[in-house]
Amino acid sequence: KAGVTQTPRYLIKTRGQQVTLSCSPISGHRSVSWYQQTPGQGLQFLFEYFSETQRNKGNFPGRFSGRQFSNSRSEMNVSTLELGDSALYLCASSLAEGASGRYEQYFGPGTRLTVT
Amino acid sequence: EDQVTQSPEALRLQEGESSSLNCSYTVSGLRGLFWYRQDPGKGPEFLFTLYSAGEEKEKERLKATLTKKESFLHITAPKPEDSATYLCAVRGGAGSYQLTFGKGTKLSVIP
Repeated sequence: KAGVTQTPRYLIKTRGQQVTLSCSPISGHRSVSWYQQTPGQGLQFLFEYFSETQRNKGNFPGRFSGRQFSNSRSEMNVSTLELGDSALYLCASSLAEGASGRYEQYFGPGTRLTVT
Repeated sequence: EDQVTQSPEALRLQEGESSSLNCSYTVSGLRGLFWYRQDPGKGPEFLFTLYSAGEEKEKERLKATLTKKESFLHITAPKPEDSATYLCAVRGGAGSYQLTFGKGTKLSVIP
């Protein structure tokens, strides 16, 4: 079974530009979450989508946005890039939480974004 | 607000020298405690989920345990290939689908 895939793997952008990152979840997984990982802050939650609806949002400015498509694939967008946005952006997918309450997230390899 | 603290920040072990990593947490209504392994430049690799105090799970040389305030990841007779950063995360609160992560423990196993 294929894992979570993210594209592109590496990206270099200039301050002020915008960027779109893509994530394809594991087949059958309908929940997609996004995280930002930096050396100083560690992994921080951005947002989570299920059936094209955002269910949770982290404490990030409105420049960070996302969406999910009907095939569960997801994109996140960062507008007006700042130097501090340089990070590893990770996508994770999960099966829908059933009656058992079990919910496990499986991560992709990430997109390394560098803002210059 | 959910919080996760991992200790130590870094740990160097000789090959075969067993030890434990600690994850202390505060969460409103724990709905899962997760352990991941992350190698440099890669995404976190899922290891275990624990849902209730007293629960234990094992995988090869790793064993995770859970109490009401903390979790331990025990590493028995580690090998150099166990070197990685180990991350702990919690999911809490009704209606929450986000994981709150600790800063991780960087484990180095020396041959």
